[in-house]
Amino acid sequence: GQQVMQIPQYQHVQEGEDFTTYCNSSTTLSNIQWYKQRPGGHPVFLIQLVKSGEVKKQKRLTFQFGEAKKNSSLHITATQTTDVGTYFCAASGAGKSTFGDGTTLTVKP
Amino acid sequence: EPEVTQTPSHQVTQMGQEVILRCVPISNHLYFYWYRQILGQKVEFLVSFYNNEISEKSEIFDDQFSVERPDGSNFTLKIRSTKLEDSAMYFCASAGGQSSYEQYFGPGTRLTVT
Repeated sequence: GQQVMQIPQYQHVQEGEDFTTYCNSSTTLSNIQWYKQRPGGHPVFLIQLVKSGEVKKQKRLTFQFGEAKKNSSLHITATQTTDVGTYFCAASGAGKSTFGDGTTLTVKP
Repeated sequence: EPEVTQTPSHQVTQMGQEVILRCVPISNHLYFYWYRQILGQKVEFLVSFYNNEISEKSEIFDDQFSVERPDGSNFTLKIRSTKLEDSAMYFCASAGGQSSYEQYFGPGTRLTVT
């Protein structure tokens, strides 16, 4: 089945610094979703990428899907304390979603 | 804004007992999922459900697990004989509309097996 590797596992930044998490697969993905889970909360859908080379932006968040559709990234510009949480990528197909291990972001004010 | 609800929020049960976790998906959604998350770990897919039948299930979803959509609104996960290692947060999710993979998660049920 599909497997997605996510790096780094943890990232600690100073408020205002940028943050990037990467999601990689050895196989071509049909699509990728990104979720955010706050501490003690549930995953919240952020975005879905489907097209090769696709780039989508949501305010300070930029999502990319690689040209070969084997990797994806989430970049946050000028982090804020409200950005803390774990960011998961997920690859989906045939009725199933496989989540990466997540990157836990902490932001020091 | 419509949301997925789950009950109970916390369930404590003894090993070997049966538990039923309940979910009410978003009303016009067609795809339903159960996931589990052991504390501090990633979200693990258990099962997906569409058109009143299981679409896909993982290796975790063995004969001890079953799902039902008994009345067109509720979506339940039953664990027949709980084990200690079943202790985890169980999330229900639903999807519908333009993409079956834009999933909306419920707040989860924390299951503790003693």
